[in-house]
Amino acid sequence: DGGITQSPKYLFRKEGQNVTLSCEQNLNHDAMYWYRQDPGQGLRLIYYSQIVNDFQKGDIAEGYSVSREKKESFPLTVTSAQKNPTAFYLCASSNPGTGGGEPQHFGDGTRLSIL
Amino acid sequence: AQSVAQPEDQVNVAEGNPLTVKCTYSVSGNPYLFWYVQYPNRGLQFLLKYITGDNLVKGSYGFEAEFNKSQTSFHLKKPSALVSDSALYFCAVRASWGDDKIIFGKGTRLHILP
Repeated sequence: DGGITQSPKYLFRKEGQNVTLSCEQNLNHDAMYWYRQDPGQGLRLIYYSQIVNDFQKGDIAEGYSVSREKKESFPLTVTSAQKNPTAFYLCASSNPGTGGGEPQHFGDGTRLSIL
Repeated sequence: AQSVAQPEDQVNVAEGNPLTVKCTYSVSGNPYLFWYVQYPNRGLQFLLKYITGDNLVKGSYGFEAEFNKSQTSFHLKKPSALVSDSALYFCAVRASWGDDKIIFGKGTRLHILP
């Protein structure tokens, strides 16, 4: 079955540590996205990538970094500069080239907490 | 700028009754509108979308939504609620032109009471 796999499901970060969240998709989608979900705030866009080797900042990119070296993979690094990283992180993908009306498909998230 | 408003943080409905989850939007030009559902500790699942055509859109699990251009609304509805419909629901909008970003509402928690 095609889908999006996020790992790990739970992650703990120590002070001053960088951590990387994995996102892999086998849907052959061009675009991939990272969102942060906090209670009562909905989804906020961190970074997105419309094509390999290219990505753009979303609304809350500070303290985060990404790479897009392969079409299937879009890892997110939460750096030590992100002072409040505790949240539920969601990865999504879509094929906007088909007209923009295609929905985004989501993984099952990674819950990040501070130790 | 695009925006989406879900005016109710929580909606309570008795099982078997009709349900409505409200959504209004603001976008320049024609909108692409979406509804998603999220169960605990899971990602979002796509329910339905409006692109163009009939104002009443039917989706998964018996849900439907009505697009109202004059009121800039896209309310989610179901004729008869099930306890299993209890979840967090998100409305989202993308402008039909421009970049590929989708703006999500803050979500409405739906409680179906047995």
